[in-house]
Amino acid sequence: AQSVTQPDIHITVSEGASLELRCNYSYGATPYLFWYVQSPGQGLQLLLKYFSGDTLVQGIKGFEAEFKRSQSSFNLRKPSVHWSDAAEYFCAVGERTNDYKLSFGAGTTVTVRA
Amino acid sequence: DAGVTQSPTHLIKTRGQHVTLRCSPISGHKSVSWYQQVLGQGPQFIFQYYEKEERGRGNFPDRFSARQFPNYSSELNVNALLLGDSALYLCASSLDRGGGYTFGSGTRLTVV
Repeated sequence: AQSVTQPDIHITVSEGASLELRCNYSYGATPYLFWYVQSPGQGLQLLLKYFSGDTLVQGIKGFEAEFKRSQSSFNLRKPSVHWSDAAEYFCAVGERTNDYKLSFGAGTTVTVRA
Repeated sequence: DAGVTQSPTHLIKTRGQHVTLRCSPISGHKSVSWYQQVLGQGPQFIFQYYEKEERGRGNFPDRFSARQFPNYSSELNVNALLLGDSALYLCASSLDRGGGYTFGSGTRLTVV
C-alpha cells in the first residue's frame, strides 16, 4: 500500500521569502503525485500534479514541484511567498492500478508573517 | 462553470442517527470519490464511483455506503452515527477514472 509523509507539521515563513514543503512517498510503482492547498473551512484546490515526463512541474499561484524518484520525494516550492499563501498544504499519491485512489499526507500548515 | 457542489454545508446529528450527504460533480465528470477529513488530518479515501459502479472502497465500516445516479451525482450515507464520524466530508469528481480530482468545499458533520 502506498503512503505519504509530510515531515513538517508547521512552517512559518516571512512574506517575500522562499518556501519549500517536503513530501516523501512510498509506492511500489511509478506514482501519480499531487499537491493540494486548503484554506480554513474550505475544500481542496489542486496546485499541480505529476503523471509522467518532465520531473519539474509548474502549477498555479507560482508553485512548482520536483519529482525525484531516487529520493521518493515530490517537494513543493515557491520563490516568493505572499500573505495569501497561508493555508494547509497536502501532498497526495494516486494509485495507477486502483482507479487512482488518492492517499494524502497529514498536511503542512504554512503561516506567513509580515 | 459550476464546480463540485455539496449539500448540506453543515449539519449536526445525534449519535445513532443516520445521515445522507449529497454531491453534484462538474458537468461531464463521470467519476466521483468521497473522502473523510478528521480535524488535523489529511483526507481519507472512503469510496470511488465511476459510471455508477463502485470502483474502490477504503477502510471504513459497513455503516458507510454510497451510490451514484444516472446523472453522475452521488450520495454518501452513514448509519448509526458515532462521535468519531464527526469530520469534513469531501466529494471529488474527475472526467475519467484517472487524472486530477476537483474537490468540493465539503460537508461539515458534527455528531453530538
